[in-house]
Amino acid sequence: DQQVKQNSPSLSVQEGRISILNCDYTNSMFDYFLWYKKYPAEGPTFLISISSIKDKNEDGRFTVFLNKSAKHLSLHIVPSQPGDSAVYFCAASTIYGGSQGNLIFGKGTKLSVKP
Amino acid sequence: NAGVMQNPRHLVRRRGQEARLRCSPMKGHSHVYWYRQLPEEGLKFMVYLQKENIIDESGMPKERFSAEFPKEGPSILRIQQVVRGDSAAYFCASSLAIGEAFFGQGTRLTVV
Repeated sequence: DQQVKQNSPSLSVQEGRISILNCDYTNSMFDYFLWYKKYPAEGPTFLISISSIKDKNEDGRFTVFLNKSAKHLSLHIVPSQPGDSAVYFCAASTIYGGSQGNLIFGKGTKLSVKP
Repeated sequence: NAGVMQNPRHLVRRRGQEARLRCSPMKGHSHVYWYRQLPEEGLKFMVYLQKENIIDESGMPKERFSAEFPKEGPSILRIQQVVRGDSAAYFCASSLAIGEAFFGQGTRLTVV
């Protein structure tokens, strides 16, 4: 029973265009969400996060949007660059609810940015 | 400030042997998490530890797997009597407090 779902296993985008990666969750107790980027043979690298009190967080080319009513978040990368090609993992946690704080991950979306 | 260090990077074990995976968290981090990634799968939570305490082990298989994070030294994930299905990449992450976790490069375990 997956609590965090990334329904698109892969996404291909042209360089310079926008990449939109989607993530859905089922546990309404989640109150903190993160995106990680992973290259082959490396550990995941933290990208950006958002708490449930916000609906948007921006960091350079990366913006995360949170729609709590739909239990949906998305990561926008604009403009996309070939170096962004990687697997992107969405993760969720219940940190403000006083729970343990372990991150629950989706299965990932492989982004390919073509020159 | 060194990142999360995991060793070994690659580990090959025969069926029935023991595997020990080590994780040194970032300096000052007292929260450690272990995750497993099977081929074509996402990262599956295994266990969350703070110094000398297991906080959440809900993702750990009931048998053969154990984890510790002693007062001194690295966190250890131990797998006894390994089987082929244990072959995976095992990632350790650490955090200063509850929040963003920083990952190590992982240990790739191959059971032959």
